[in-house]
Amino acid sequence: DQQVKQNSPSLSVQEGRISILNCDYTNSMFDYFLWYKKYPAEGPTFLISISSIKDKNEDGRFTVFLNKSAKHLSLHIVPSQPGDSAVYFCAARAYNNNDMRFGAGTRLTVKP
Amino acid sequence: NAGVTQTPKFQVLKTGQSMTLQCAQDMNHEYMSWYRQDPGMGLRLIHYSVGAGITDQGEVPNGYNVSRSTTEDFPLRLLSAAPSQTSVYFCASSYSRDPLGPLHFGNGTRLTVT
Repeated sequence: DQQVKQNSPSLSVQEGRISILNCDYTNSMFDYFLWYKKYPAEGPTFLISISSIKDKNEDGRFTVFLNKSAKHLSLHIVPSQPGDSAVYFCAARAYNNNDMRFGAGTRLTVKP
Repeated sequence: NAGVTQTPKFQVLKTGQSMTLQCAQDMNHEYMSWYRQDPGMGLRLIHYSVGAGITDQGEVPNGYNVSRSTTEDFPLRLLSAAPSQTSVYFCASSYSRDPLGPLHFGNGTRLTVT
C-alpha cells in the first residue's frame, strides 16, 4: 500500500520560475514530513522538513507547505535553477516510528 | 568524513546465488536502514535497526536478512537471489532520537539478478 503518493512523475519549468512539487499521504499517524533530492548515481540527500504542528517551513529558496486536513504537502522552489534538476522524494513518518515511507518521486527539469 | 559507505557499487548475480551488501557509517548514528529503489515505486524499507543487536522488518523484508553487531556496520544478506531482487539498494543512517532528523544515504548498490 502506497501511503505516500507523488502523482506527477515529472515536472519541467523555466529557470527563474517557481517549481511546485506535490505529495499526498493516507496515513493520519504521520507527524513528520521530509523532502529529499536525488541526483543520478548518488544517494538521496535531505532538503527540508516539517512537523505536523506547523503549516509552513522555509529555508532559502525552498518552502514546504503542509495541509493536514487534506493530507497534502507541497515543496516550492523559488526561483528555480538548472542545478535543481533532480528527482525529488517526499517522505513521512510517525512520531514514535522509525519506518519512514517514501513517495515514488518527481523528476524536476529546470530549463535554462 | 566518509558518512555512509556502501560496497560494492555494482553486482551481477545468478538466480540462487547469495551475497552480502556492505554498509558502514562513521557518524555514530544509532539508526540504520536498508531501502530498495524500483521504478515507479520510490524507496521501500527492507529492514532497519535502532541500535547494535536490534533489528526489525520494514515494508518488504522477504528474501533479505540483516544483523547489527556493531554501531557502525549493517550488512544486508541475500540468501538465494531472485530476479525480483534486481534493484538499486540504499543504506541510510540517522540519530534515532530526533524524529525530524534526516536520513543520511550511501550512494547505492546496483544489483542485477539474472
